[in-house]
Amino acid sequence: EVQLVQSGAEVKQPGESLKISCKGSGYIFTNYWIGWVRQMPGKGLEWMGIIYPGDSDTRYSPSFQGQVTISADKSISTAYLQWSSLKASDTAMYYCARRVGATEAIDYWGQGTLVSVSS
Amino acid sequence: QTVVTQESSLTVSPGGTVTLTCASSTGAVTSGYYPNWFQQKPGQAPRALIYSARNRHSWTPARFSGSLLGGKAALTLSGVQPEDEAEYYCLLYYGGAWLFGGGTKLTVL
Repeated sequence: EVQLVQSGAEVKQPGESLKISCKGSGYIFTNYWIGWVRQMPGKGLEWMGIIYPGDSDTRYSPSFQGQVTISADKSISTAYLQWSSLKASDTAMYYCARRVGATEAIDYWGQGTLVSVSS
Repeated sequence: QTVVTQESSLTVSPGGTVTLTCASSTGAVTSGYYPNWFQQKPGQAPRALIYSARNRHSWTPARFSGSLLGGKAALTLSGVQPEDEAEYYCLLYYGGAWLFGGGTKLTVL
């Protein structure tokens, strides 16, 4: 069974760093891209970027380029989304999702990680 | 700045049929945009419904169908059930970049 399991909710202060994770199981992790999606409170979905764990090829949406870093550790089948200095506006639910390259299908989703940033 | 546009809200009666659309500011949506459709209910992660414009995932009920219609991607729900009340999002592929539509809130009333 394919699963993407994300790390737990985080409460942080502005200026702090953070790295959240998404662990894939039930499939060959290095054969599929993992994307990250932001959903701010009461708002729609926003595509942030995507990584191919096989070779760490990474593509960022222009809105998120330079704001976050996407990485992966294929040895433990885990993708990451990290911030070096959080802002209150980073408060949101973050989802990871799997992309099937040949069909551009986004099929499986993680359960989401809620990040709250407040002083 | 490319924008993907969906209806903000639609209402349908139980058992009825409704079509949601997804338009691109760059022009007609074609199969090369690989439209995906997702359903999201309050407090839940999105669930994939359709990929490559018209293909259902193995878990997608047959009452959901995708198509390309009049230069847009479309999601049609036939025989709508009360549990179909949700937010629906489309996602388009722009050759290495992806963009979500703003979502359509579907009310079943």
